[in-house]
Amino acid sequence: SQKIEQNSEALNIQEGKTATLTCNYTNYSPAYLQWYRQDPGRGPVFLLLIRENEKEKRKERLKVTFDTTLKQSLFHITASQPADSATYLCALGTGGQNFVFGPGTRLSVLP
Amino acid sequence: DAGVIQSPRHEVTEMGQEVTLRCKLISGHNSLFWYRQTMMRGLELLIYFNNNVPIDDSGMPEDRFSAKMPNASFSTLKIQPSEPRDSAVYFCASSSMDNSQYFGPGTRLTVL
Repeated sequence: SQKIEQNSEALNIQEGKTATLTCNYTNYSPAYLQWYRQDPGRGPVFLLLIRENEKEKRKERLKVTFDTTLKQSLFHITASQPADSATYLCALGTGGQNFVFGPGTRLSVLP
Repeated sequence: DAGVIQSPRHEVTEMGQEVTLRCKLISGHNSLFWYRQTMMRGLELLIYFNNNVPIDDSGMPEDRFSAKMPNASFSTLKIQPSEPRDSAVYFCASSSMDNSQYFGPGTRLTVL
């Protein structure tokens, strides 16, 4: 059956460290993968998109990798700050503009 | 641009009543998505439109749910009759050709 998993429901790290979030999928062949941030009481906000033929994408302190052999994407936040605390969702682009979202990982960056 | 606009932001209704959620897209975007988010099931795609045409409604849970896009900038999601298990946050999102989605603030629906 098709499944998307994100490494853990919650992740706590110390300010200044690198946060690494994982998105694993089964029985999908996504053409691209996206990462979103969601704060409590708000809608998700688009962060990055990476295509199946791209290994890595960067935007400021954010880095995303996409390994179609492992069926995994890693999302890194370097020099993390308390303001980075939020829930992060991965979304697979499964065809056309159809998206499937993962359950999310709640990140807490502790001062 | 004001971004995606949803109304109402909160809706409390009684079981059996009709509920209508509204969404205004970002100007220039040609795709619209309706999602439902709950703690148990996460963010689920209900239906999406491209150029006002429904493309995939396989996520619509039952015939009680219907969605329309009468013009290029506006959509409604209707639940009739509503049930307590429909309680959730409903998001509308729009996108252009780059496939990044812009979400509205959501409507928190509570059906008593």
